[in-house]
Amino acid sequence: NFKLTQPHSVSESPGKTVTISCTGSSGNIDSSYVQWYQQRPGSAPTTVIYGENQRPSGVPDRFSGSIDISSNSASLTISGLKTEDEADYYCQSYDGTTVVFGGGTKLTVL
Amino acid sequence: EVQLVESGGGLVQPGGSLRLSCAASGFNVSSKYMTWVRQAPGKGLEWVSILYSGGITYYADSVKGRFTISRDNSKNTLYLQMNNLRAGDTAIYYCARDYPPGGVYGMDVWGQGTTVTVSS
Repeated sequence: NFKLTQPHSVSESPGKTVTISCTGSSGNIDSSYVQWYQQRPGSAPTTVIYGENQRPSGVPDRFSGSIDISSNSASLTISGLKTEDEADYYCQSYDGTTVVFGGGTKLTVL
Repeated sequence: EVQLVESGGGLVQPGGSLRLSCAASGFNVSSKYMTWVRQAPGKGLEWVSILYSGGITYYADSVKGRFTISRDNSKNTLYLQMNNLRAGDTAIYYCARDYPPGGVYGMDVWGQGTTVTVSS
């Protein structure tokens, strides 16, 4: 079964840039789009990146997504970090008709 | 306004059943791909099931044969019938709508979740 692996946690200072990786277990990471969701404590997830690096209305352009075929991984990059960006982030893709989530990464902005 | 509101969660004994509802407003559930996702306490997101606009359904291996996803177009509501519940099914259950066309761009609208606790 296809799996997506994320680091458990990352931390960075306000104003800096952080990148969260999401590595596919097999196949080609670019065979399906990779989405990214933000989840703050006690709240439902919200989309920050979908499709080919698309941002929903209201998501600042400090958020961007990319794919690295050589490492079979996707990345979420957040620039100009703000304390409000502190949250859990999940990548998501597809394995045929199955929806696959990464294990999630806790971002601490300190 | 596009909105999803889940209900039906609660405490149930192992082996019991529960039906979750997800009432939609601002769009028709019949025309979208709809998904159930759960999150166990302190854990990550886990996909449970998806219902295509055409009626096709798929399930995670962990719930296959025990859970059934369905919808009532007249009530504009998505359901998740959960039978033979286990302790491992304890989680917050979210319903979500897929970005069109569905099954490609993930979920764009999420409900607030409903909590299911399986315990004796």
